[in-house]
Amino acid sequence: QVQLQESGPGLVKPSETLSLTCTVSGDSISDYYWSWIRQPAGKGLEWIGRIYTTGSTNYNPSLKSRVAMSVDTSKNHFSLNLSSVTAADTAMYYCVRDHPARPFDYWGQGILVTVSS
Amino acid sequence: DIQLTQSPSSLSASVGDRVTITCRASQSITNYLNWYQQKPGKAPKLLIYAASTLQSGVPSRFSGSGSGTDFTLTISSLQPEDFATYYCQQSYTTPRTFGQGTKVDVK
Repeated sequence: QVQLQESGPGLVKPSETLSLTCTVSGDSISDYYWSWIRQPAGKGLEWIGRIYTTGSTNYNPSLKSRVAMSVDTSKNHFSLNLSSVTAADTAMYYCVRDHPARPFDYWGQGILVTVSS
Repeated sequence: DIQLTQSPSSLSASVGDRVTITCRASQSITNYLNWYQQKPGKAPKLLIYAASTLQSGVPSRFSGSGSGTDFTLTISSLQPEDFATYYCQQSYTTPRTFGQGTKVDVK
């Protein structure tokens, strides 16, 4: 059974960089895309972007200037950096497997990140 | 970006009811349409992918149909555990996009 677990600070100051890591267990991280999706409280889902295990990325144009993703296959984890955060970036952040045939088939439990001074 | 519009945004229903939710795409996405269920405080769960294929372990009362720009999620007989919010999502192209959600609550 594939499991994903997000980790990182739950509180980030405005203008700083939000950094999260997703550790994958139960399967190799190789040969899949891995996405980050966020959801502000009471609102809908927003796709942030994805990374393939080769390091190839696709980002949401609405966030592209502030997003960077990386992958470490030796540790079976991938990461998200979102720079210059504001209160609008406060949300639950999910890491998700993006299977080629069954998109977003495995999700982490989510991590709440609050942007506040 | 491909816009997905769900209707209705919310609905009230009773156990045993047949429930239908629609999702319209701003351009053709062939059959690259997926449906998710989200319960409060939980991550979304994949129900249906490729418009009509039931994810493993999902009850057969859930079904999906459609192609091109118009899609439907149907729950044939609503069960107590089905009260939740449902999202459609397109995997035709990036950026991946979601509908705004449909909340199904108790009538």
